[in-house]
Amino acid sequence: AQTVTQSQPEMSVQEAETVTLSCTYDTSESDYYLFWYKQPPSRQMILVIRQEAYKQQNATENRFSVNFQKAAKSFSLKISDSQLGDAAMYFCAYRRRIPNDMRFGAGTRLTVKP
Amino acid sequence: ETGVTQTPRHLVMGMTNKKSLKCEQHLGHNAMYWYKQSAKKPLELMFVYSLEERVENNSVPSRFSPECPNSSHLFLHLHTLQPEDSALYLCASSQVGAEGAGYTFGSGTRLTVV
Repeated sequence: AQTVTQSQPEMSVQEAETVTLSCTYDTSESDYYLFWYKQPPSRQMILVIRQEAYKQQNATENRFSVNFQKAAKSFSLKISDSQLGDAAMYFCAYRRRIPNDMRFGAGTRLTVKP
Repeated sequence: ETGVTQTPRHLVMGMTNKKSLKCEQHLGHNAMYWYKQSAKKPLELMFVYSLEERVENNSVPSRFSPECPNSSHLFLHLHTLQPEDSALYLCASSQVGAEGAGYTFGSGTRLTVV
């Protein structure tokens, strides 16, 4: 079974600073996808960034970047220049190509201090 | 309407009631999902409908009954629920063959069983 572990239930960061959220996963597959989702108080899960396992280059999306370590099965999210609007729950997720299911971690609640 | 829409946004029901949650997607996706989100726990996949085929999680109690009349609509019928079923129920959709795109989520139904 594939499991996703987020070891940090809560994190806080000062506005404009950088924060890294951790995620590890367990799989025997070699081809899969990894995602970070953000869930603000509006409750809708929003895709932040994705990584394909066969790509060695770390994905980046503006202020968001990942550190993907395939051998270590680690997929951390770095948020640079943190903004108040970044405050939310962040979920790491793993997905195989087949079948259709995505596995999530328990989430990390990020607080941004002004 | 765009994306994934869930109704109602909030629901309070007694243990002897029967109610239904509704999900509608306007993205042309061909797979839909129900997830249960409880505090401090990973999202739990409940049901999947993919290319009109139902994939069921065997650990879901029979008091939860899904229905997918077409690729755009998904229902979750509830009856004789327990207080521990109180949670946020999230619907998501995706496109089979585009696994790297992740899922699109609705804003969820906050269910309280009294």
